[in-house]
Amino acid sequence: GAVVSQHPSWVICKSGTSVKIECRSLDFQATTMFWYRQFPKQSLMLMATSNEGSKATYEQGVEKDKFLINHASLTLSTLTVTSAHPEDSSFYICSSKPVATNEKLFFGSGTQLSVL
Amino acid sequence: DAKTTQPTSMDCAEGRAANLPCNHSTISGNEYVYWYRQIHSQGPQYIIHGLKNNETNEMASLIITEDRKSSTLILPHATLRDTAVYYCIVKSAGGTSYGKLTFGQGTILTVHP
Repeated sequence: GAVVSQHPSWVICKSGTSVKIECRSLDFQATTMFWYRQFPKQSLMLMATSNEGSKATYEQGVEKDKFLINHASLTLSTLTVTSAHPEDSSFYICSSKPVATNEKLFFGSGTQLSVL
Repeated sequence: DAKTTQPTSMDCAEGRAANLPCNHSTISGNEYVYWYRQIHSQGPQYIIHGLKNNETNEMASLIITEDRKSSTLILPHATLRDTAVYYCIVKSAGGTSYGKLTFGQGTILTVHP
């Protein structure tokens, strides 16, 4: 099946710094990628939809200036958490699927962000 | 997308079948039933999906009732590695919203020796 690779697996940063998370589709072209967030003991929540070559679409309540998304190629989308604060500590997960395949999504392995 | 209801947790003995129920009484005619699972600290993994017919693949079977208001995911021979949170998701297929999955709380399946 298709593979979505996410990097880094975990990151610890100081409050106020920015963190970039990469999501790559290894064996298919991903015109669209989806970014989810999961707080401890909670379910996944969609944050934004990343579109290759155009602006991302953010879900209600997600600050686009804080969570910068760049999807400059058909195999790479990045999520940058700017000026991170402890409340941004969460598990971030990306997903995508090959175009013109059935509806199943492939997810990355996730990035655990801890902001001190 | 239709709301789903799942038991909070279930136990299963290793080697036995695990039957995970899901209620989706408000499902619409064009909505599919999807199952994903999430092993601790990993991204979700697709298991199976169906519209109205029963489906089977190498991982599991999906049984959908005739009125489509409920379904059951069956892991025929559960192993310890099947311990995970299982999510039942109902959504329409196609369009640009295919990646917008609404994850509920899911069922925590614990497979014990």
